[in-house]
Amino acid sequence: RKEVEQDPGPFNVPEGATVAFNCTYSNSASQSFFWYRQDCRKEPKLLMSVYSSGNEDGRFTAQLNRASQYISLLIRDSKLSDSATYLCVVNPLSGNTPLVFGKGTRLSVIA
Amino acid sequence: ETGVTQTPRHLVMGMTNKKSLKCEQHLGHNAMYWYKQSAKKPLELMFVYNFKEQTENNSVPSRFSPECPNSSHLFLHLHTLQPEDSALYLCASSPTLTPGRETQYFGPGTRLLVL
Repeated sequence: RKEVEQDPGPFNVPEGATVAFNCTYSNSASQSFFWYRQDCRKEPKLLMSVYSSGNEDGRFTAQLNRASQYISLLIRDSKLSDSATYLCVVNPLSGNTPLVFGKGTRLSVIA
Repeated sequence: ETGVTQTPRHLVMGMTNKKSLKCEQHLGHNAMYWYKQSAKKPLELMFVYNFKEQTENNSVPSRFSPECPNSSHLFLHLHTLQPEDSALYLCASSPTLTPGRETQYFGPGTRLLVL
């Protein structure tokens, strides 16, 4: 099982739609989780951290399911500007191992 | 912006050239990273430095040589590169490598083309 696994997509959705991405991770000891957004030919930027109780930031909601070892990102009322690649990131918290990045899920919001 | 700068932003070099990429962070962080991202591929971690000491070399060819003179600066020296080394090279920093909610912040990257 890969350390961090995401559906590569692409997800093509109309403006205003709700879309959800899932990400699974293999290291059950992982404690910290993040979603990054990467626009085409740009650097990844932190979108939000994922807390154990789940958290919301405007139209974005992140959830963590420790039992099943997956995290999710829900985007409501999609905007054209949400089109990007969304990276799932896990902190394995073992020694000096840095963050583990998923391959990303591509989202295209269509007018 | 993120407080992590990279120069140059674009670089074209021949296979016999020697060049260096520079990264500087203004966030007071102690850990710095080099990543490679080829077209339509995921991020590949290359090197990790924590308090100026290299803690990880992810089987990177010796034609890539990192240097970290202090916690704020990171260099990637390039020599005799191959066309397949063409990619976006991203620098990132984080407060430390210790467990917690800390995450990484990326610079804008250097887009490298090897001819």
